[in-house]
Amino acid sequence: EVVLVASGGGLAQPGGSLRLSCAASGFNITNYWMSWVRQDPGKGLQWLANIRQDGREKYYVGSVRGRFTISRDNARNSMYLEMNSLRAEDTSIYYCVTEAGRTFDLWGQGTMVTVSS
Amino acid sequence: DVVMTQSPLSLPVTLGQPASISCRSSQSLGTSDGNTYLNWFQQRPGQSPRRLIYKVSKRGSGVPDRFSGSGSGTDFTLKISRVEADDLGIYYCMQGTHWPYTFGQGTKLEI
Repeated sequence: EVVLVASGGGLAQPGGSLRLSCAASGFNITNYWMSWVRQDPGKGLQWLANIRQDGREKYYVGSVRGRFTISRDNARNSMYLEMNSLRAEDTSIYYCVTEAGRTFDLWGQGTMVTVSS
Repeated sequence: DVVMTQSPLSLPVTLGQPASISCRSSQSLGTSDGNTYLNWFQQRPGQSPRRLIYKVSKRGSGVPDRFSGSGSGTDFTLKISRVEADDLGIYYCMQGTHWPYTFGQGTKLEI
């Protein structure tokens, strides 16, 4: 079965850090750009960042640039999101997705991040 | 950033009847390579989003042919020929032409 599993979410304090992981199974992520997308509970979707197949090209949305870092380990068939200087407004469900041809074709199940004191 | 505006935000439907959702972008989504990177996603209650349509009108794997996409430039439409109970949820358009990628606010399809 082709699956993406996101993990690492939880409760963090404002100003704190979390590291999200995304493990792929049933396919090889080396064929794909990979992205992180988040969704405020009960609200819309926001693309956050993506990373090229070889990891050498990365893009971020302005609100997380300089605070979040996307990375990947193709040998482990995994992608990561290091989140620093967390704010209350980062509270969201975080999805990892495969990206091919400027579209998101496979979504993981999401991991919840709550930033609160 | 490109603003994606969907209408309506709530769409009451009748099972077996057609439904249509509009999506407008603040900039043209056409590219010099001839592609238009406009996508549609479906999110059923309690589930992750699922891709329905990419490049305006191409159906994703396993997507029923009841779903169709059309449009060009800044105006796009998702049509469901006959709504089924399984179609209830929220539909989002998303543009992949300009950085950063941006989504519409979502349209809730409900009975």
